[in-house]
This record gives sequence, structure tokens and C-alpha cells, in this order.
Amino acid sequence: GQQLNQSPQSMFIQEGEDVSMNCTSSSIFNTWLWYKQDPGEGPVLLIALYKAGELTSNGRLTAQFGITRKDSFLNISASIPSDVGIYFCAGQSSNTGKLIFGQGTTLQVKP
Amino acid sequence: EAGVVQSPRYKIIEKKQPVAFWCNPISGHNTLYWYLQNLGQGPELLIRYENEEAVDDSQLPKDRFSAERLKGVDSTLKIQPAELGDSAVYLCASSSNLYGGPHNEQFFGPGTRLTVL
Repeated sequence: GQQLNQSPQSMFIQEGEDVSMNCTSSSIFNTWLWYKQDPGEGPVLLIALYKAGELTSNGRLTAQFGITRKDSFLNISASIPSDVGIYFCAGQSSNTGKLIFGQGTTLQVKP
Repeated sequence: EAGVVQSPRYKIIEKKQPVAFWCNPISGHNTLYWYLQNLGQGPELLIRYENEEAVDDSQLPKDRFSAERLKGVDSTLKIQPAELGDSAVYLCASSSNLYGGPHNEQFFGPGTRLTVL
């Protein structure tokens, strides 16, 4: 099925470092969502974006809705070990309303 | 507030056997979704319900998959017969806004991990 292009596929960083990941699409979205999934659990919503250009923060997390409505990024500042997991972007299609997920970015944090 | 509840959490069956998954959404959430998540991939929508009506089942393999949400609350997803390629995590999610509306925040359950031998 259709998926977003999410990068990087995986990251291995030192505790305290900042992290950046992004999603791009050939289609326009009217909503971007960022989820985190821990092993054996379902995705948990981190940040939701509803307007092009919107910049939203949730603690150490910051996400932006791209001006073109075809991309979004997520930044994590001062990473800690509990940030480990898989991060998914998801875009809601403006044509169908369907939620489409990226392939995920696996984050590993070394203490 | 309780989250989305799914059961069982794990299921191992032999191919050609039937299997069913159950989901109880967050109280008051009218929209319910079933997703399939293959290893190393993001979730992919199988079916969406608005109350008891299946409004998008275009991705559901109807030859072997079926779903129901009879009273507009709980839902079951069934596979009969299961094939080796059905091994995956089956996620249920729910939301309280109209699908496609401006605040379509979906909340996920823990999933059922199916292994078909």
C-alpha cells in the first residue's frame, strides 16, 4: 500500500544528543501526526499538526508541518534512554481522509 | 480513562485454521479502525467503522478476512483460513471525531501478534 518516505531508517546516538527525522510525500496532507511505538505495544501519539507551517512542541519534542504540505519533521532534544523506540510519521490525505504511515525510524540511545 | 483494549495479545495457529481478534475502543469513540502491521513497516488500514457501519474496507482481503461491529462499540476481526503470510501484528485504533475531520487523532491498542505456522 501507499506509504510515506521516512528517514533515516535508523539512528544510533549518544545520550544527550539531539535527533532529527523527517517524512516526505508526493501527495498533499492536511494533517501530520507523529507516533512512537515501543516493542510489543501500539503506536502512541506524540504530536499532531493541522496547519501548513505549524510548529508544535511537546516537552523535548518539536515537530513542524511543511509549507508545501508534503513533508514534516520531528526533532528530539537532549535525548535520554527512554526515547528508544520506533517513530512513525502519518499523514492524513486531503483527498480520501485516510491515514497513511511512514516506514518508521528506529532510534537507539546509548547511555 | 481506559485505552483501547485488544485480545488476545499473542496468537499462534497453524495455517488453514481460523482466528479471531477482539477490540474494545475508548469509551465514546465512534470511529474504529483495524490496521495490519508487518515487521519493519508502518500500520496499514484494513477497515474503518463509523459506529456500526463499515465505511472503508477497500484494503480488507475479503476472501478470507471479515470484520464486524454489531452494536457500534466492540469489534472483531476474523481470518478464515489463515495463511503463512498473515503473520503480523493486528492493531485496533479508535477516534472521537468524524474521519477526515480536522482533529482525527487515532489512539491505538497494544495489538495482537499473530504467528501462522
